[in-house]
Amino acid sequence: QVRLQQSGAGLLKPSETLSLTCTVHNGSFNGFYWSWIRQSPGKGLEWMGEINQYGNTHDNPSLKSRVTLTIDPSTSQFSLKLNSVTAADTAVYYCARARMPKHYFDYWGQGALVTVSS
Amino acid sequence: QSALTQPASVSGSLGQSITLSCSGSDDDIGRFKLVSWFQQYPGEAPKLLIFEADKRPSWASDRFSGSRSGNTASLTISGLQAEDDADYYCCSYAGANTYVFGSGTKVTVL
Repeated sequence: QVRLQQSGAGLLKPSETLSLTCTVHNGSFNGFYWSWIRQSPGKGLEWMGEINQYGNTHDNPSLKSRVTLTIDPSTSQFSLKLNSVTAADTAVYYCARARMPKHYFDYWGQGALVTVSS
Repeated sequence: QSALTQPASVSGSLGQSITLSCSGSDDDIGRFKLVSWFQQYPGEAPKLLIFEADKRPSWASDRFSGSRSGNTASLTISGLQAEDDADYYCCSYAGANTYVFGSGTKVTVL
């Protein structure tokens, strides 16, 4: 059974950089896109971006290039950095596996709450 | 890239069937048959129920079925059960390697 385990979370101050990592267990790392999706308190889901094992990335234009995605296939880990955070970035952040070419998310991490407050 | 539109809430009685709608545009649902649906309980991650508009993963109950017509996708829950009380989100591929989610529907089982 594929399992995605997230690490990193907590409290940030405005203008700091959010950093999260997702480790993939019991599944192939190759042949998929690895995504980040967030959910603001009491609100819906927002796709942030994705990366594959070659380091090819796609991101949500609404995040205005604040997102940096990295991947390390040797450790089955991929990571998200979001710079210049504000209170609007307070959310639960999820990592997820994206199946291609049908473009759907089949496995998700447990989620990590990130709070931005001065 | 605007969020897909879902009704805020839908309710139904035990054993009843209900249908949730997800309205998009010509740029997402209308263009691609790549709509997925997720179920989410409070404090948990979303769980895939439907992909490619009408296909179920192995773990999803056959009480869940999906369809798509024009710019609107639908999720039908048949034989409503207490454990179906949850939030439901739709998602569509929106081209150029981007995705858009719906605003979510709270299903209440009466």
